[in-house]
Amino acid sequence: KNQVEQSPQSLIILEGKNCTLQCNYTVSPFSNLRWYKQDTGRGPVSLTIMTFSENTKSNGRYTATLDADTKQSSLHITASQLSDSASYICVVTPYGNKLVFGAGTILRVKS
Amino acid sequence: DAGVIQSPRHEVTEMGQEVTLRCKPISGHNSLFWYRQTMMRGLELLIYFNNNVPIDDSGMPEDRFSAKMPNASFSTLKIQPSEPRDSAVYFCASSLGRQNNYGYTFGSGTRLTVV
Repeated sequence: KNQVEQSPQSLIILEGKNCTLQCNYTVSPFSNLRWYKQDTGRGPVSLTIMTFSENTKSNGRYTATLDADTKQSSLHITASQLSDSASYICVVTPYGNKLVFGAGTILRVKS
Repeated sequence: DAGVIQSPRHEVTEMGQEVTLRCKPISGHNSLFWYRQTMMRGLELLIYFNNNVPIDDSGMPEDRFSAKMPNASFSTLKIQPSEPRDSAVYFCASSLGRQNNYGYTFGSGTRLTVV
C-alpha cells in the first residue's frame, strides 16, 4: 500500500533556529515528490518539487533532500521566521495514480 | 491571475440541509480536483475532472456527495443531505495536467460545519 509518513507530528522552535522535517514513503515507482506549506486557513502552496533522480532542491531558506534508496525526504528550514509557522505536507506522486499525502508536520516558530 | 476561487469561505448548516460549494479554477488549467481535509484523515481526494469530464470519483464518500463541472471555469460540490460527519475543510485545486508534475494550485478552501 502506498503510504507517506511524516515526523515529527508537531514541532516548536525559536525564531532564527534551523529545523528539519522528515518524510518516509513506500510509494514506488513515483514521478515526483513535493513539499507543500499550508498556512492556517489557507490552501497548500508548493515549496519544492523533486523527481526520483534529484537529490536536493532549494527555495530560499527551504531545502528539500531526497534519498530514493532509503525512500526518505527531508525539508530543512534555515534561520526560521515567525511566518514559517504552518503545516508542512509531503506529497508523493505515483506514476499514473492518485497523489499520496502525508499527514503533515505542524511547525510553530516562537519569538 | 486571482488563483483558484472558492465560495463560500465558511458555511454553517443544519443536518439534513443541502450544501453547495463552488469553485472557479485558474483559466487555462484543464484539471480540477476536490479535496476534503480533516484533522483525523488529512487531505483526501474526492473527485477530479479532466477537460470537464469526471475521471475518478472513487473518493466520493457516498451518494450524498455529487460534483459537476458544466464548463471549464466552474465546478460545484454538492452534499445532500448533509450530516455532522461531513464537517471539514473542502479544497478545490486546479492544474495543467492530471498529475502533480505541473503543480496544483489550491483555493483557500470552504470550511463546512454541519450542526
